Amino acid sequence: AQSVAQPEDQVKVAEGNPLTVKCTYSVSGNPYLFWYVQYPNRGLQFLLKYITGDNLVKGSYGFEAEFNKSQTSFHLKKPSALVSDSALYFCAVRDDNYGQNFVFGPGTRLSVLP
Amino acid sequence: ETGVTQTPRHLVMGMTNKKSLKCEQHLGHNAMYWYKQSAKKPLELMFVYSLEERVENNSVPSRFSPECPNSSHLFLHLHTLQPEDSALYLCASSQDWQGGPGANVLTFGAGSRLTVL
Repeated sequence: AQSVAQPEDQVKVAEGNPLTVKCTYSVSGNPYLFWYVQYPNRGLQFLLKYITGDNLVKGSYGFEAEFNKSQTSFHLKKPSALVSDSALYFCAVRDDNYGQNFVFGPGTRLSVLP
Repeated sequence: ETGVTQTPRHLVMGMTNKKSLKCEQHLGHNAMYWYKQSAKKPLELMFVYSLEERVENNSVPSRFSPECPNSSHLFLHLHTLQPEDSALYLCASSQDWQGGPGANVLTFGAGSRLTVL
């Protein structure tokens, strides 16, 4: 079965500092990995994905993530955080052995302090 | 907003009521999903429809009944719900995973906030 862990419920960083939101996963087949962001009273918005190829994936709003197969991780990063990045971030995985079942992590609340 | 529209945005219902949530996507996608988002819990996949055929049903109680009349519309019919069913219900769509660079990306609606009294 597939699963996703986001070990931190909350991450706080100062504006202008780099941020990292952690994600680890477990799948039996090849992983398709995703990051989504949710602002208050909104649905989830796609940020970036890893399917195959380059381990460093760049996405929307200056975010990037690095796929690390040996550590089964897909951490989200941004070199310089903005207050407007404050939101709930979800990591998700789809196992290519399991059809269209996208499994989401519990979410990490990012707070960027001015 | 995102190409996926959900109505109503807020719904309050008693345990004996029957209501429906509606989702419409304008993206030409061929798969649609219902997710449940409860406080302090991960998103729970409820149902997946691909090409209007239900392909996933994650042990959802029968008081939730999905309907997908065509590839653009998805409904969630609700009846005799329980207070613990109160949650944000999110609809999403995607291009079937075999479908090229846009594949696998879920586009979500803003959600329907359901409160069961």
